[in-house]
Amino acid sequence: DAGVTQSPTHLIKTRGQQVTLRCSPKSGHDTVSWYQQALGQGPQFIFQYYEEEERQRGNFPDRFSGHQFPNYSSELNVNALLLGDSALYLCASILGGDRGFGYTFGSGTRLTVV
Amino acid sequence: TQLLEQSPQFLSIQEGENLTVYCNSSSVFSSLQWYRQEPGEGPVLLVTVVTGGEVKKLKRLTFQFGDARKDSSLHITAAQPGDTGLYLCAGTKYNAGNNRKLIWGLGTSLAVNP
Repeated sequence: DAGVTQSPTHLIKTRGQQVTLRCSPKSGHDTVSWYQQALGQGPQFIFQYYEEEERQRGNFPDRFSGHQFPNYSSELNVNALLLGDSALYLCASILGGDRGFGYTFGSGTRLTVV
Repeated sequence: TQLLEQSPQFLSIQEGENLTVYCNSSSVFSSLQWYRQEPGEGPVLLVTVVTGGEVKKLKRLTFQFGDARKDSSLHITAAQPGDTGLYLCAGTKYNAGNNRKLIWGLGTSLAVNP
């Protein structure tokens, strides 16, 4: 049973560029959340997708956008990259409406903006 | 405003010692989860506590959910170097649209020295 798969694992981009990160949820999960995690800090919630729609959004600018596909996989897009966008980006999946159970996280994509 | 306060932020102990990590809030959560994260990896769920006063044990780890479901603790007995990592607590809340949202603490970085 495959867990959450994220790609790429590492990425280096130049300030001002755009980036797309990808996530395949755990088999059977239909809800995907994206998080940004700075070194030594807890994850910061970016947004959550369910039924191909953004259902919740954290305190992130519109430069951060996403998409969910019919197969439940998801993409995170960041435009006009800033140095401060350098972080580990985590994708987590869960079955919608499943109360009390924890999310399954991927290993993340390490984004470095130079 | 950090809704979930974790303490201590950093902890360095010797192998064999006991320790307790705290997760406190003024808000009530429908459930609370503890995760452990190793460098370069995503968080891995350790336990979910749902009922006020609930105690769960996972080998040398004991988790407790406060009676009012506002706080939780993680106690490790006879810590081992393999316990080293970032311990994160996350509380579940539901918004007006009944969408689940995780509120994260900033984490406790634990180092167990041999």
